[in-house]
Order: sequence, then structure tokens, then C-alpha cells
Amino acid sequence: DGGITQSPKYLFRKEGQNVTLSCEQNLNHDAMYWYRQDPGQGLRLIYYSQIVNDFQKGDIAEGYSVSREKKESFPLTVTSAQKNPTAFYLCASSKKGGTGLAGELFFGEGSRLTVL
Amino acid sequence: AQTVTQSQPEMSVQEAETVTLSCTYDTSESDYYLFWYKQPPSRQMILVIRQEAYKQQNATENRFSVNFQKAAKSFSLKISDSQLGDAAMYFCAYPSNTGKLIFGQGTTLQVKP
Repeated sequence: DGGITQSPKYLFRKEGQNVTLSCEQNLNHDAMYWYRQDPGQGLRLIYYSQIVNDFQKGDIAEGYSVSREKKESFPLTVTSAQKNPTAFYLCASSKKGGTGLAGELFFGEGSRLTVL
Repeated sequence: AQTVTQSQPEMSVQEAETVTLSCTYDTSESDYYLFWYKQPPSRQMILVIRQEAYKQQNATENRFSVNFQKAAKSFSLKISDSQLGDAAMYFCAYPSNTGKLIFGQGTTLQVKP
């Protein structure tokens, strides 16, 4: 079945370490997104990509990095520069982006990162 | 700036009753989609309903319907015959003119048996 797969579901990190969260989709979607969600809060956009080999910063990009070498994959690296990385991270994709008629987002199941 | 506002952090409803969650947004676009997403305790985001702004008819999906008032930039979600499984956090969302989806802060819905 088509969908979005995020891994790992749970991840623990020591302070000062970089970690990478995986996001893979087989929906043939052009656009992919990373959101951060803190307890009881809404979603904040970290990075998004509308086409392979191109990506843009969202509202809270500091301390994060991404790559988009393949259409299907959009990994997120949480670097040691991110001061408060403990959160729930959601990856999403959509058929197209860049216009007000962007389609709905399809979400993965999320990854919970905890910094020890 | 394009914003989405959900003014009700928490709502509760009795099982089998009807509840309405409010959402307002700000945009200068004329054609766009609006979405309501549900996030149950499992944290998976699920699309509940979508409204196309150029359609005057309010969208309906089974027990879920919207009251879309384009001039007022209001997009409320009505849940009829509420069920225990409807308990979740609900997010209103609007796609910006750069393709990003802007989410409201969310409304936590409690369903009482």
C-alpha cells in the first residue's frame, strides 16, 4: 500500500550528538515537509521541499538540516546546534506545492526524539 | 501575513450530541483549499474533511460537515452524533501561496460517555 514511512518511531539522543530521522514515501508526491510538534501544541514547519535537489527553510529551521536527493526520500538531521530538540516530528508529503491550490498533506506516523 | 486561528483550546461534548469547532483564517487568495485534520492519541494525522473555496456548497463527510463563510474567512467543523472515537486534537489548516500548509493551534475535543 502507498504511504509515508518514518523511522525510527522512538529515538534517544545524548546532548551534542546529531541524529537523522528517516522519511520515505511511495506516493509519487513532489512535495515533502517536516513538522515539529511540542506537547499540546500545533505543528511548526521546519523544512520543505517541492522538487528533488531543492528545499526551503520553514519557520524553525535553525539547528536542523535536510537533503532531497531522491523524490521518495527527505531525511531530517537534528544537529547539536538545536537547543531544545526533544519533540515529536512529523513528515508529510503532497502532490504539489507552490500554489494556493496545494493538495492535502499525507502524514507519516511520526518520530519521537528525546534528548537525555 | 497568512494565519489560521482556532480560538477554542479545549471543547467537550456528550456522546451522540453535536459539537462545532471554530476556525478563522486570513488570506488574500481567491482560490484555495481548507482542511480539517484529526490527531488521535496515536499521534497519526488524519484528514477529516476538505473544502474548496470556489465551491459555495459546504463539504460533508458522513457525520462531519463544515460551515464555510468565505467573506468572513470562517471555516468551522461540525461533528454530529459524536462518538467516543472522535476524541482527539483537531487542526484547521490552510495552504499558503508558497505551498506550505499553515496549521492552527488545535482544539482538543473530549467526548463524554
